[in-house]
Amino acid sequence: GESVGLHLPTLSVQEGDNSIINCAYSNSASDYFIWYKQESGKGPQFIIDIRSNMDKRQGQRVTVLLNKTVKHLSLQIAATQPGDSAVYFCAENMHGGSQGNLIFGKGTKLSVKP
Amino acid sequence: DAGITQSPRHKVTETGTPVTLRCHQTENHRYMYWYRQDPGHGLRLIHYSYGVKDTDKGEVSDGYSVSRSKTEDFLLTLESATSSQTSVYFCAIKLAGPGELFFGEGSRLTVL
Repeated sequence: GESVGLHLPTLSVQEGDNSIINCAYSNSASDYFIWYKQESGKGPQFIIDIRSNMDKRQGQRVTVLLNKTVKHLSLQIAATQPGDSAVYFCAENMHGGSQGNLIFGKGTKLSVKP
Repeated sequence: DAGITQSPRHKVTETGTPVTLRCHQTENHRYMYWYRQDPGHGLRLIHYSYGVKDTDKGEVSDGYSVSRSKTEDFLLTLESATSSQTSVYFCAIKLAGPGELFFGEGSRLTVL
């Protein structure tokens, strides 16, 4: 999920298919990971989070997988819909505790074809 | 529902002029944040606040100052705007979880 220069990685999927968005994080000491969705012209919106002592967490149509060995995070969206088209950011909380200071990845643009 | 109002939503200004962006929340959330978003960089933390008159720097704080005199308002000031500060600025509040932020709609600033 990391971008190169000004170009966001793009994932294009057919409506109804499953989507997998990947993210590599930087700090092995991070203890909390989050996925955000940002639609065009809007602020980022919280989707789902996972603590570092977990490997998997499921929400409604979304699943987050965490592989601490290779510092990799993924977001799976089941039965992707046109409304899922957005830019998706992973974020890590490097400080833990309650401060909520997040380090964001550069984002992946998901396009859903009807 | 948490509510955030950012103002102004759009601003064009000239290099060297002062600019203040306002973030207003309708609930008494303790933590408030200012992020900037630029192509190729994602969202980067400028400053944050953990209470009235309690603020701290983020990763890109140079050229910015903040103030929080009331729980509901968090102000971001560019004392002398530069073209490198052209960006979209997002205010956020922290909800329940350690990383669960609720973001405003953003303020687009253009410095000519």
